[in-house]
Amino acid sequence: QSVLTQPPSVSGAPGQRITISCTGSSSNIGAGYDVNWYQQLPGTAPKLLIYGYSSRPSGVPDRFSGSRSGTSVSLLAITGLQAEDEADYYCQSYDSSLSGSVFGGGTKLTVL
Amino acid sequence: EVQLVESGGNLVQPGGSLRLSCAASGFTFTNYAMSWVRQAPGKGLEWVSGIRGSGGGTDYADSVKGRFTISRDNSKNTLYLQMSSLRAEDTAVYYCAKGLGPHWFDPWGQGTLVTVSS
Repeated sequence: QSVLTQPPSVSGAPGQRITISCTGSSSNIGAGYDVNWYQQLPGTAPKLLIYGYSSRPSGVPDRFSGSRSGTSVSLLAITGLQAEDEADYYCQSYDSSLSGSVFGGGTKLTVL
Repeated sequence: EVQLVESGGNLVQPGGSLRLSCAASGFTFTNYAMSWVRQAPGKGLEWVSGIRGSGGGTDYADSVKGRFTISRDNSKNTLYLQMSSLRAEDTAVYYCAKGLGPHWFDPWGQGTLVTVSS
């Protein structure tokens, strides 16, 4: 099991909005450590999508947004779904008990 | 343009050793922490190890502690991962990435495949 919990899959039709949750605990997200999100297109390396909960690197469309929800949950939202958004999405934070970075198990996004 | 290029992946027998390399360009390598992250076939991402910039302090995931050693040669802009006592469960694509917890990883290399099998 991953330290951070994500739903295994989500789906949506083109143009719709979806959200992916990332749930942690008091030793990672709940301790105040930032959450970062990555997009992994099929057969490629992961790419940074959101850092510091809600900041977007240059070149990432504003259809992608991140937020904090409660003490130990982070959300990734994608609006105006497009076929090219079909990918695996991973959240990442730092865990003070493990003294290292931790990832969620990943969420497969299917665009219907 | 920041670029990371891994090499050294191969088929190795259980109990064997392997050294991975990651050549960095496009940024001042000495100033940045670097990490290795792996992905087993069909599975998610797992942070393996990280090393700070010029100071060189290191961290390891419990799953590899005592078996893997991360190092860097700042004169060659190259990151290394020496892997020993390899197990079947170490089979994965190994990515190098700029960054180290609690910060983000960006960018990532294209990855190099390590297969541990007899």
